[in-house]
Amino acid sequence: DAGVIQSPRHEVTEMGQEVTLRCKPISGHNSLFWYRQTMMRGLELLIYFNNNVPIDDSGMPEDRFSAKMPNASFSTLKIQPSEPRDSAVYFCASTPTGGADTQYFGPGTRLTVL
Amino acid sequence: AQKITQTQPGMFVQEKEAVTLDCTYDTSDPSYGLFWYKQPSSGEMIFLIYQGSYDQQNATEGRYSLNFQKARKSANLVISASQLGDSAMYFCAMSGSGSARQLTFGSGTQLTVLP
Repeated sequence: DAGVIQSPRHEVTEMGQEVTLRCKPISGHNSLFWYRQTMMRGLELLIYFNNNVPIDDSGMPEDRFSAKMPNASFSTLKIQPSEPRDSAVYFCASTPTGGADTQYFGPGTRLTVL
Repeated sequence: AQKITQTQPGMFVQEKEAVTLDCTYDTSDPSYGLFWYKQPSSGEMIFLIYQGSYDQQNATEGRYSLNFQKARKSANLVISASQLGDSAMYFCAMSGSGSARQLTFGSGTQLTVLP
């Protein structure tokens, strides 16, 4: 079975540009999570969805960040406008329905904002 | 609020020996889950092992076992017969009860296996 798929794997952009990160969760998983990993702050939850509905977005840093999940197989995280301090690795993870809350992570997107 | 503490920034172990990575946690939730993830230098996050707070026995997965001591609020990872490929960053994490399914992560332990 395919795992969580993220694209792009690497993104280099200039300050002020819009960045869109994409995630396809594992088929049949009903919860999706976006995390950000930096050296200074470690792994931080940005937002998570349950059955395509945003449940907790308290980790979204500011209004420049937005996330959507239009259907069960696709989610986007958008940063507009991007800033150098947004440089990080962004992970998407998904959890199956019921059972333990084990989250399966995608490979991550390494974002560099110049 | 939940908190995970990993007090060992770095650990070294000789190949083929066992190693214990420490993790303590704090939560007011009556039900929770504890997880360990491995992050090699390539960057992906790999799920290793899970322990539920009501599980009576310690979880095991191959060479990985979780030493769960509920009263002490600790969930240490034991890796037996270390291999060079075990060199990586290891994260302890926990989930809460009810709708709080998100994971709270510790700061990680960098394990280096020596030949």
